[in-house]
Amino acid sequence: RKEVEQDPGPFNVPEGATVAFNCTYSNSASQSFFWYRQDCRKEPKLLMSVYSSGNEDGRFTAQLNRASQYISLLIRDSKLSDSATYLCVVVDTGRRALTFGSGTRLQVQP
Amino acid sequence: ETGVTQTPRHLVMGMTNKKSLKCEQHLGHNAMYWYKQSAKKPLELMFVYSLEERVENNSVPSRFSPECPNSSHLFLHLHTLQPEDSALYLCASSQSQGGGYYEQYFGPGTRLTVT
Repeated sequence: RKEVEQDPGPFNVPEGATVAFNCTYSNSASQSFFWYRQDCRKEPKLLMSVYSSGNEDGRFTAQLNRASQYISLLIRDSKLSDSATYLCVVVDTGRRALTFGSGTRLQVQP
Repeated sequence: ETGVTQTPRHLVMGMTNKKSLKCEQHLGHNAMYWYKQSAKKPLELMFVYSLEERVENNSVPSRFSPECPNSSHLFLHLHTLQPEDSALYLCASSQSQGGGYYEQYFGPGTRLTVT
């Protein structure tokens, strides 16, 4: 089993739709979690950190489920500009290990 | 707009060449990272320098050699590379405290082609 797994997609959704991605991780000792977005041929950019209690930033909501070992990203009212690849990152501070998922591609269509 | 710069942006080198990639961060961070991104593969963490201590991925071949002279500059020295080393090499920086890694900011990357 991979350390961090994401559905590669693509997720094709119309503008205005709500879409959710999950990211599962195998290391129960993981402590920090992040979502990044990466546009085609660009560097990854931090979207949001994921806190234990869940957190929201505008149209984006991140959740952590430690019992089932996954994090999720919910995007409401999708915009064309949300089209990108979304990467999850899992950090195990004890092992000083930082692992990226392979990403989920989102395509928002007019 | 990004506080992390990388040079060169593109590099083509032969297998017998020696070259270096450079990264500089202007964000006041105390940790810097090298990643490799190949097509259809996850970002692979190669090296981390945190508070001048190096943490590395043991699977990285010795033909890649990092150098971190201070908290703002990071180099990746390349020698006798193989064609499969062709990839996008990304530098990142972040704050680091107590062994933890915080939000990372990436440079634009160096697109490396080994011929």
